Amino acid sequence: EAQVTQNPRYLITVTGKKLTVTCSQNMNHEYMSWYRQDPGLGLRQIYYSMNVEVTDKGDVPEGYKVSRKEKRNFPLILESPSPNQTSLYFCASSSISRGLAGGSNEQFFGPGTRLTVL
Amino acid sequence: AQSVTQPDIHITVSEGASLELRCNYSYGATPYLFWYVQSPGQGLQLLLKYFSGDTLVQGIKGFEAEFKRSQSSFNLRKPSVHWSDAAEYFCAVGRRALTFGSGTRLQVQP
Repeated sequence: EAQVTQNPRYLITVTGKKLTVTCSQNMNHEYMSWYRQDPGLGLRQIYYSMNVEVTDKGDVPEGYKVSRKEKRNFPLILESPSPNQTSLYFCASSSISRGLAGGSNEQFFGPGTRLTVL
Repeated sequence: AQSVTQPDIHITVSEGASLELRCNYSYGATPYLFWYVQSPGQGLQLLLKYFSGDTLVQGIKGFEAEFKRSQSSFNLRKPSVHWSDAAEYFCAVGRRALTFGSGTRLQVQP
């Protein structure tokens, strides 16, 4: 079954304790992305990756890191979490449209990770 | 910078009535435009997308959207709403970096 998986689904942690949220897709997609969803703000993109070893900042990258060492995996790292990073996080993946200005096609979303930082 | 505005935070319609959800965008070139739906406690599912070509786009579940470049709009429509359409709807714009609107929550009255 084609899917995007995230782990953990729920996480409660304390300020300053490093954590990693994993994301994996089995669709051989080039594009992967992380979003956070907060009430009234919709989804905001944190980082995205067009392919292995290629990552770019989205709208809200501060306080987050990512890596893309393998095509299927795109972990989100919070080196020193703070309470304002309490949120619902979604990972997504897609193929890339061809051409000079190729971009993300339909994105497939994971089930979400609800993070609480105390 | 690209941006998306969904002016209606919350809309209530009666089952069987028609629906239009508004989306206005700002983008420097020809945009990729998307509509996603999110049911409570769920992830997002693509309803439809516009990349180029015919400005009237058909999607899943009977939804359609019309791209109007002159108005920078990409409104979502459905001729007859079903109770199962109650959800939150997000418009998005972008090619590589994607920007979502803040969403419109749809409530359907019996």
